[in-house]
Amino acid sequence: DIQMTQSPSSLSASVGDRVTITCRASQSISNYLNWYQQIPGKAPKILMYAASSLQSGVPSRFRGSGSGTDFTLTISSLQPEDSATYYCQQSYDTPWTFGQGTKVEIK
Amino acid sequence: QVQLQESGPGLVKPSEALSLTCSVSGGSISSYFWSWIRQPPGEGLEWIGYIYYSGSTNYNPSLKSRVTISVDTSKNQFFLKLSSVTAADTAVYYCARWYASGSSPSRHFDYWGPGTLVAVSS
Repeated sequence: DIQMTQSPSSLSASVGDRVTITCRASQSISNYLNWYQQIPGKAPKILMYAASSLQSGVPSRFRGSGSGTDFTLTISSLQPEDSATYYCQQSYDTPWTFGQGTKVEIK
Repeated sequence: QVQLQESGPGLVKPSEALSLTCSVSGGSISSYFWSWIRQPPGEGLEWIGYIYYSGSTNYNPSLKSRVTISVDTSKNQFFLKLSSVTAADTAVYYCARWYASGSSPSRHFDYWGPGTLVAVSS
């Protein structure tokens, strides 16, 4: 299985801050990397696919980058509604696997 | 707008089978892959497996010996059966659509159900 490791596990930032979450794969996955946002009590929602493609309807303050084994999700200006847990997921090979999640809190 | 809805018992006894249904509305179940994903309370996400509308399946090896996913295209539904459950199978179970376009990296879970909590307890 391809292991996905996210860092940090949690962070606290202020509205307007730039926030960066990293995801590392245990082997190269090219750009077969997705990001999801999960608000407590809700299902995950796709934010970014193919590492850097923004899902329709997702605000442009979200940006994804990376290829190979190292990936980044950046929120350029944190908003109150961005308080959630973010998961990366590799779509390179089954079993599809997720990172352990990064919980983003608003100060 | 495609919508998914999980249904099934919220409580299952240890050693028994967990059975869930995912009903798809707003679109056809045909031509897509359909998955089950679970999330134990306070933990991360685990992909259980998928079924193609034609009936072909792919399961997570960690659960393969206990999982069966099936589909009924006439009802626009697909199903999960997990046998011999233990407390470790207590989780919110989600059904989701897998969007895939050939071998493109643009493949992801694009629609999810709201999830259903299944507790395993006597």
